[in-house]
Amino acid sequence: QVQLVESGGGLVKPGGSLRLSCAASGFTFSDYYMSWIRQAPGKGLEWVSYISSSSSYTNYADSVKGRFTISRDNAKNSLYLQMNSLRAEDTAVYYCARNRIAARPLNWFDPWGQGTLVTVSS
Amino acid sequence: QSVLTQPPSVSGAPGQRVTISCTGSSSNIGAGYDVHWYQQLPGTAPKLLIYGNSNRPSGVPDRFSGSKSGTSASLAISGLQAEDEADYYCQSYDSSLSGSWVFGGGTKLTVL
Repeated sequence: QVQLVESGGGLVKPGGSLRLSCAASGFTFSDYYMSWIRQAPGKGLEWVSYISSSSSYTNYADSVKGRFTISRDNAKNSLYLQMNSLRAEDTAVYYCARNRIAARPLNWFDPWGQGTLVTVSS
Repeated sequence: QSVLTQPPSVSGAPGQRVTISCTGSSSNIGAGYDVHWYQQLPGTAPKLLIYGNSNRPSGVPDRFSGSKSGTSASLAISGLQAEDEADYYCQSYDSSLSGSWVFGGGTKLTVL
C-alpha cells in the first residue's frame, strides 16, 4: 500500500543543521510532487515546502526560505529536507506528504507519513 | 494565528450531529479555492477526510460531509461515534502569502 516513512529527526542546538528523509513506497514516486508539512507541539499544521516530480520546481514558506532546502532522489524513492540555521521556533513534528494535484492551488495532501520530531534547543 | 479560523473545540454525544466551521477571507476560501479536511487521531498523522469541498475518499464513512459557501466552509459529522474523537483541520490555498497552502488552527472534537 502507499506508504511514507520519515527519519532523521532529533535534538539539535540553535544554529545547527539537520537532514530529514522520507522513504516512499507503494506508488510511482517519480510521478508526484511532494511536500513537507510541520506541526509545532500542541499547535496546528504549517506547510513548509514542495518539490516538483522532476525537481525542476521548488517553493518554500516564508518562515523557512533561505534556510531549508528540499530535494529528492527518484531512483531511491526518497524525499529530503536539509534544515540549516535552525531556530527554537522550528521545533515540530515534520511530515512528508504526497501532493495530489501537483502545485496547483486546489491541491490537497494524501497520504502523510507518521512524522519525525525535530527539537531545537540548547 | 492561523490564516483559516476554526473553533478550538466542539463536542457532542454519541449519535448526535456536529459541525466544524472554517472561516477564511477573500484571498483564500472567498477567492474560490477549494477546502479540504483532515482528521488527526491522537498520536497519529493527519489523514485526508474530505477533498474538493465535499468529496470523500474511498473508505471514509458517509457520516462525514463537507460544504463551502462564500468565505467559509464546514465539516459535518452525523451519527457521532467514540472513534470520531480527534483533531480536525481545514486546508485551502492563499494567494496573498507568496502563494501557499494554508491550514486552520484545528478543532478538537470531544465525544461526550
